[in-house]
Amino acid sequence: QSALTQPASVSGSPGQSITISCTGTSSDVGSYNLVSWYQQHPGKAPKLMIYEGSKRPSGVSNRFSGSKSGNTASLTISGLQAEDEADYYCCSYAGSSTFYVVFGGGTKLTVL
Amino acid sequence: EVQLVESGGGLVQPGGSLRLSCAASGFTFSSYDMHWVRQATGKGLEWVSAIGTAGDTYYPGSVKGRFTISRENAKNSLYLQMNSLRAGDTAVYYCARDGAVAGTMDVWGKGTTVTVSS
Repeated sequence: QSALTQPASVSGSPGQSITISCTGTSSDVGSYNLVSWYQQHPGKAPKLMIYEGSKRPSGVSNRFSGSKSGNTASLTISGLQAEDEADYYCCSYAGSSTFYVVFGGGTKLTVL
Repeated sequence: EVQLVESGGGLVQPGGSLRLSCAASGFTFSSYDMHWVRQATGKGLEWVSAIGTAGDTYYPGSVKGRFTISRENAKNSLYLQMNSLRAGDTAVYYCARDGAVAGTMDVWGKGTTVTVSS
């Protein structure tokens, strides 16, 4: 299984919207509606932001939204704030004959 | 408060072994699948292993046959036995709770650092 493909970096100004893509295959992202997204600030543990492609855990701002089309999932952050500057990772269930999880390489979001 | 606290990291020589522990609190540990995820310095997240509530275990090819995940529900504890360690296993190791949706990790510990070096 190969890692999911994410852009290395994205940037945006406060108040703008950005989208981070996560491209997999028909064996992972394309087969299951089980993509999750994690935010990680430097030196901190990851935090779940989106699960099942588009659902937000309690306490996560509605500025964060997720979607999927074919083998590509996307995370959109609207109304960018300075505190959103972090690394973002996508993750997909990829088990067919056995349980398997695969992460993306991560995207560094810079708020200009 | 739902919490996961890892311990057991340290410096180990190549070929050596190490056992990581993860203490869970604030939730019914036995009802949840659990994961170990690692992150090398400056690198991305890598799934290392998972264990189901029934004790079924899963690994990626990179650690299969060298790492063993286990759990002790009576002690609310998760473990990772790591053998035949390599320099490439150097990373921060996180334990994470599976949030009842396959592969979704809704609670994470702060991690414990493993360094494999001579």
